[in-house]
Amino acid sequence: SQKIEQNSEALNIQEGKTATLTCNYTNYSPAYLQWYRQDPGRGPVFLLLIRENEKEKRKERLKVTFDTTLKQSLFHITASQPADSATYLCALPGPASGGSYIPTFGRGTSLIVHP
Amino acid sequence: KAGVTQTPRYLIKTRGQQVTLSCSPISGHRSVSWYQQTPGQGLQFLFEYFSETQRNKGNFPGRFSGRQFSNSRSEMNVSTLELGDSALYLCASSLAVSSGGVAYEQYFGPGTRLTVT
Repeated sequence: SQKIEQNSEALNIQEGKTATLTCNYTNYSPAYLQWYRQDPGRGPVFLLLIRENEKEKRKERLKVTFDTTLKQSLFHITASQPADSATYLCALPGPASGGSYIPTFGRGTSLIVHP
Repeated sequence: KAGVTQTPRYLIKTRGQQVTLSCSPISGHRSVSWYQQTPGQGLQFLFEYFSETQRNKGNFPGRFSGRQFSNSRSEMNVSTLELGDSALYLCASSLAVSSGGVAYEQYFGPGTRLTVT
C-alpha cells in the first residue's frame, strides 16, 4: 500500500541556519507532491507544489526538490526565523476512482527555530 | 476574499450521540473536502464533494457522511459517536477536483475540535 514517511522527531535549529525536512514515499508514482505548513490548532496552509518533471522549485526562502528515483522530496527553509516554527506536512495525490486524486498526507515534522 | 469558515470551532459530545459540522468554502470554490486529524493517525481524508455530488471517499465507516448544498456549503455528520472520533475535523475548499495531473490548491479552514466523552 502507499506510504509516506516524514521524520517524527522534531527538528531543532538555530535562527539563520537552513532547515531541511525529508519526505519519503513508497508504492507511489505521484504526478506531483505538495508541502503544507500547520500551526498548532489551525488548518494546514499550502506552501509549494512540485511536479514529477521538476527537479527543484523555489519560493522566497523555500526550496523543494523532488527525486522520483529515490522517491524522496526535500524541503529547505533558508535563513530560518523563529516564525518558521511549525509542523510541515508533505502530501501526495493517491489514486481514486474516475481519475481524480485522494490527497494522502504524511504525519508531518515539527520544526523549532531557536533565536 | 474571506477564507474557509467552519462552525462550530469546539464541540463536546457524549458517546452514542450524533454531530453535524458545517463548512463554508471560499467564494467561487466548488469543491469541498473533509479531513480528520488525530495525533495517532495524522491527517486522513474523509470525502470530497463537488457540485453537490460526492466524488471521492476515504476509508471511514458509514457513520461518517456528508453533503454539499447548491451554494457549495457543506456539512458532515457523524452518527453514534465513539470515543475514537475525538479529533480535529478540517474542511478544505478548492476551485475544482484535482485529476489528470491537474492539481488545485486546497485552502483549509481552522477546523472543528470535537471531543467525545
